[in-house]
Amino acid sequence: DTAVSQTPKYLVTQMGNDKSIKCEQNLGHDTMYWYKQDSKKFLKIMFSYNNKELIINETVPNRFSPKSPDKAHLNLHINSLELGDSAVYFCASSQRVGVSSGNTIYFGEGSWLTVV
Amino acid sequence: AQSVTQLDSHVSVSEGTPVLLRCNYSSSYSPSLFWYVQHPNKGLQLLLKYTSAATLVKGINGFEAEFKKSETSFHLTKPSAHMSDAAEYFCVVSEPIYGGSQGNLIFGKGTKLSVKP
Repeated sequence: DTAVSQTPKYLVTQMGNDKSIKCEQNLGHDTMYWYKQDSKKFLKIMFSYNNKELIINETVPNRFSPKSPDKAHLNLHINSLELGDSAVYFCASSQRVGVSSGNTIYFGEGSWLTVV
Repeated sequence: AQSVTQLDSHVSVSEGTPVLLRCNYSSSYSPSLFWYVQHPNKGLQLLLKYTSAATLVKGINGFEAEFKKSETSFHLTKPSAHMSDAAEYFCVVSEPIYGGSQGNLIFGKGTKLSVKP
């Protein structure tokens, strides 16, 4: 069973469209994340939710809106897509907030978004 | 602020020879450090992690890393490279959980490992 699964894996869309990427984890974790990997492979956190509550919101345009209907899901909605949004988006989860010997962040396989 | 520097953007080795991927970190407290691997068109997989226990950490697939506080380094090594090791490797440090931070992960820029037959 896939621990952190995200769909779609590949998405090609036109500028100006609105799209969503879904993420689900079956690990029973309390904390979920969205990371963005740019064309130079640089990874940076976008959002973090703990028990459906937003706890990290980095400098991300308002066009990006995460939604957590329950602890196991964290979806990413993107409005009015721009060329610069093309990237790989990774969902992740961990048992709780923060890193410690007993807390590891597990990543999904990524969603490759291409805006044309 | 915490940061990591991966000293090589690309490392090329021959199959069967040792692998060394270098990482230096900057942290004002005792850090947690990780190595993640990303195979082409795949997600991120945790190789190993250091969280203030033993300084020599063993991970999956024969990789290990040594935490050296005096050198602020956390280099990744493997005695003998395999073709399947070809991937992008990321050194990662965690932010602390205080001062507004939430234990976020700070990624290095990655090192691409190529393995020649």
